[in-house]
Amino acid sequence: EPEVTQTPSHQVTQMGQEVILRCVPISNHLYFYWYRQILGQKVEFLVSFYNNEISEKSEIFDDQFSVERPDGSNFTLKIRSTKLEDSAMYFCASSDLAGGATEAFFGQGTRLTVV
Amino acid sequence: GENVEQHPSTLSVQEGDSAVIKCTYSDSASNYFPWYKQELGKRPQLIIDIRSNVGEKKDQRIAVTLNKTAKHFSLHITETQPEDSAVYFCAATPGTASKLTFGTGTRLQVTL
Repeated sequence: EPEVTQTPSHQVTQMGQEVILRCVPISNHLYFYWYRQILGQKVEFLVSFYNNEISEKSEIFDDQFSVERPDGSNFTLKIRSTKLEDSAMYFCASSDLAGGATEAFFGQGTRLTVV
Repeated sequence: GENVEQHPSTLSVQEGDSAVIKCTYSDSASNYFPWYKQELGKRPQLIIDIRSNVGEKKDQRIAVTLNKTAKHFSLHITETQPEDSAVYFCAATPGTASKLTFGTGTRLQVTL
């Protein structure tokens, strides 16, 4: 069964450093998303991406965040200058149609720890 | 924007009993309502979903009901088993956007 894969599974970084979280969505999917989940809290939407551009972003997704699809398979989330409060599990997801019509498949997540 | 509320935050049932988790949403344009199960440290996994043109859907021991007028939907798990223990999240998506708005989660504990 195809699945969304994310690397690394765990990333520890010092405050102020840049991090790049990587995702390989399911190959025939067209819509890509990043969500985050602070420990013990709900899953929060960060950004959606379609046709090589951001289609929607939340207020969490400020100038410190960016997304990119550098090639035909990878989808990345960059945090330019990490803060302690960026510590969370980051999930990538993909779907083959807009999320209102079909299932979003989630990756296994990257646990980001900012120290 | 959409706001999803979920109750209860924790639920403890004995094995074999039923469990019900309720969610309300605010955006009347929402048209897709998935339920995710998340085990500790793992990804959210879709267990059942319902679209706004359907009032009820069942899959073995799991069922979901939707009341569009009242803007609420519920997850029903019958004959609970210890492996049902997890955190369950409801979600909703507005008609014209693609993001999922999640509820705050329900920690279900099934005791022997």
